[in-house]
Amino acid sequence: ETGVTQTPRHLVMGMTNKKSLKCEQHLGHNAMYWYKQSAKKPLELMFVYNFKEQTENNSVPSRFSPECPNSSHLFLHLHTLQPEDSALYLCASSQDGVTQYFGPGTRLTVL
Amino acid sequence: RKEVEQDPGPFNVPEGATVAFNCTYSNSASQSFFWYRQDCRKEPKLLMSVYSSGNEDGRFTAQLNRASQYISLLIRDSKLSDSATYLCVVNRANTGNQFYFGTGTSLTVIP
Repeated sequence: ETGVTQTPRHLVMGMTNKKSLKCEQHLGHNAMYWYKQSAKKPLELMFVYNFKEQTENNSVPSRFSPECPNSSHLFLHLHTLQPEDSALYLCASSQDGVTQYFGPGTRLTVL
Repeated sequence: RKEVEQDPGPFNVPEGATVAFNCTYSNSASQSFFWYRQDCRKEPKLLMSVYSSGNEDGRFTAQLNRASQYISLLIRDSKLSDSATYLCVVNRANTGNQFYFGTGTSLTVIP
C-alpha cells in the first residue's frame, strides 16, 4: 500500500539537531494531517492543512514547524526537541473528511 | 469532556468468541463515523465506516445510534488475527476536515 508514504521510517536525533520529516500522498486528497502518538496514549492531532492552507494548529510547541508546499506534500521540521518528543509521528490524508488514510509513520527518538 | 470516549480494555477473549466495543461521542454535530484498527507499532487502518442504518462486513457489524450519540462494533467468531487496538473516530463537517479519535480499545484473542 503506497497511498501515503513517510520518510524516514526511523530517526534518532540529539536535542540540538535539526531534522525534517516528509510525507507524500498519492491519492489526490485535499487535506493532510500530522499526528503524534506516544506510547500507550491516543493519537494527538498536531496540524491540519486543507488545500495547502493550515486550518488547525493544536497548541503545538514552536519547535515543531509544518510546511505544506502543495496538496501532495507535507513536512514537519524539527529543531531543539526534547526527549519527551520521542514518539511515532503519523501523517494522514483525506478528501473532504470522508475517510482518513495514514502513512506508516516515523518513529522518532530524541536523545 | 472528551470528543470521543472508549473503554480502553483490555479485552481478552478466546478464539471463536463474540466481542462488542462501544464508543460515545460528545458533539451532536458529528457527521461521519469510523472504526479503525491499529496493530502494534503500525499505523491505524480503516476497518469500516459506520452508517446510520448499521452495516456489516463479514464478521464485523457496526451500529450508530445518533439519539444516544453511541457507536458500536461487534466482532463475531474472533480470530487470533483480530488482536489489535480498535479506534473509534468521528468527523464534524464544520471543523475543516478534522477527525477526533478515541483512545482505542485493546483486544487480544487467545488460542
